[in-house]
Amino acid sequence: EAEVAQSPRYKITEKSQAVAFWCDPISGHATLYWYRQILGQGPELLVQFQDESVVDDSQLPKDRFSAERLKGVDSTLKIQPAELGDSAMYLCASSLAEDYGYTFGSGTRLTVV
Amino acid sequence: GDSVTQMEGPVTLSEEAFLTINCTYTATGYPSLFWYVQYPGEGLQLLLKATKADDKGSNKGFEATYRKETTSFHLEKGSVQVSDSAVYFCALSDASGGSYIPTFGRGTSLIVHP
Repeated sequence: EAEVAQSPRYKITEKSQAVAFWCDPISGHATLYWYRQILGQGPELLVQFQDESVVDDSQLPKDRFSAERLKGVDSTLKIQPAELGDSAMYLCASSLAEDYGYTFGSGTRLTVV
Repeated sequence: GDSVTQMEGPVTLSEEAFLTINCTYTATGYPSLFWYVQYPGEGLQLLLKATKADDKGSNKGFEATYRKETTSFHLEKGSVQVSDSAVYFCALSDASGGSYIPTFGRGTSLIVHP
């Protein structure tokens, strides 16, 4: 069964350092999402791509977060500088079409110390 | 804006008990509705979906019916197992405004005891 690949699985970083996460969606899925999930809460959308274009990034803290999907396939989410409050699970999801639902990766658990 | 409200957890049940997790939504358009399940340390997995009013989504013994009149999508299972212990998220995807913006509830933790 096709999966959304994410790496790394776990990341510990010191505050003020830069950190990056990678996501490879299911082949053929044009829509890609990055979510942040704080422990005990539901996922919050950070950014949504359609191919290489950003559809929605209204919830992305653009002073420190950036996301790209240069060739419309895999994607990178970066945080610079990381803050203690950024500690969370970062989930990537892809979708063939919105009515199909989303396939999620296993996520990257970020701990900022 | 769109929103999803789920019942507070944790929901604690004995094995073979009947499960209901309530979910209601607010949307400006005609959303598709989903239930996702998340096991500890894992990402979310799509459990079931419904794309229009009166549709019933079902999978692995779970089911939910899209009720437009009550704006609800309650999750049910007739007989839960210990392996069903997880966090369940209700979600919607609404195309109002020209693009689909997915919205998730806060999740409901289910604990099933033997």
